[in-house]
This record gives sequence, C-alpha cells and structure tokens, in this order.
Amino acid sequence: AQSVTQLGSHVSVSEGALVLLRCNYSSSVPPYLFWYVQYPNQGLQLLLKYTSAATLVKGINGFEAEFKKSETSFHLTKPSAHMSDAAEYFCAVNSGGYNKLIFGAGTRLAVHP
Amino acid sequence: NAGVTQTPKFRILKIGQSMTLQCAQDMNHNYMYWYRQDPGMGLKLIYYSVGAGITDKGEVPNGYNVSRSTTEDFPLRLELAAPSQTSVYFCASAPLGANLNTEAFFGQGTRLTVV
Repeated sequence: AQSVTQLGSHVSVSEGALVLLRCNYSSSVPPYLFWYVQYPNQGLQLLLKYTSAATLVKGINGFEAEFKKSETSFHLTKPSAHMSDAAEYFCAVNSGGYNKLIFGAGTRLAVHP
Repeated sequence: NAGVTQTPKFRILKIGQSMTLQCAQDMNHNYMYWYRQDPGMGLKLIYYSVGAGITDKGEVPNGYNVSRSTTEDFPLRLELAAPSQTSVYFCASAPLGANLNTEAFFGQGTRLTVV
C-alpha cells in the first residue's frame, strides 16, 4: 500500500529564510507525487507535481521539490520565505486508481517577521 | 469560472439530524471525490465517483452516502449525524482518462460541527 509521511506538523521560519518541508513516501511502484497548499479558510491548491520527466520540479510562488528515489523523499523548498507563504502544506501520492489521493498529515508553516 | 462549488460553507447539526452537503463542478470532469479533513490527520477519502451512476467507497465511508445522477453534481448525505462527523469536508474533481499525475481541483470546503 502506498503512503506518505510528513515530518513536522508545524514549521516556523523567519521572513527571508529557507523553507524546507519534508515528505517521504512508501510505494512499490513509481509514485505520482503532489504538493498542495491550503490557505486559511480555503480549499486546496496545487503547488507542484512530480511527472518523472525531471527530478527537480518547479511550482508556483517560487516553490520547488526534488524527487529522490534513493531516499524515497519529495521535500518541498523555497529559498526565501514570504509572509504570504503562511499556510498548511500537504504532500500526496496518487493511489493508482481513478486518481484517488493519499495525503500526508500536513505541515503548518508559520512565517514571522 | 466557478470550478468546484460546495454549499453550505458552515453548518451546525444536532446529534441524530441529517443533512446533504452539495458539490457541483462546471469543468465536465468525470471523476469526483469527497474527502474529510481532521486536524493532524490530513485528508481521508470518503467516497468517489467515476461517472454518473457510478460510485464507490473510499477509506472512511461509514455514516455517509452519495449519489451521482449527473456529471456535474455529487452530493454527500449524512444520516444520523454523530460528533465523530465533525470535520471539514472537501469535494474535488478530476478529468476522465487522466494520467496518474493529473491535478485534482478542490472546492472551498464545508465546515460541519455536530453537537
């Protein structure tokens, strides 16, 4: 069975600092991985997705993620945090049938001045 | 363009009451889903549908029912509401024949409290 684990339910960074949100997956087949962001009182919005065309994936708002098969990881990074990045971030994997998604528990990112 | 629309946005139910959460999409997507989000638990799949008249259970279907009479609408029915159903509910959709890395589109959510 496929699963994703997000390390750290809360991450706090200073404005301008590096953002690193961790996601590890478990899959017996090549995984299809996603990062979604949820701003307060809103639905989920796609940040980026792994397509197997490249291991480094660029998304919206300056975020990127690197797929590392040897480490079964798909960590999300942004070089310089902005106050508007404060949100909850979810890593997800496609379960393989009808695009049903399996989500990690989420990481809430706080950005302080 | 509206995308995925959920109503209501908020609702308080008493134990034992029933209600229907509405979901509509205007993207002509065949796949639709209902997830619930609980703090620290991520999102869990309740039910999904691959087209009009076809539905199936997800990970946490107990206490819920769904129907899909049209491509656009996918309502979620709660019978005999229980405090354990207090949650935020998200409806999502995706296009038919999608690759496994195709994006799902989410509604704004319905925050339900059962007291």
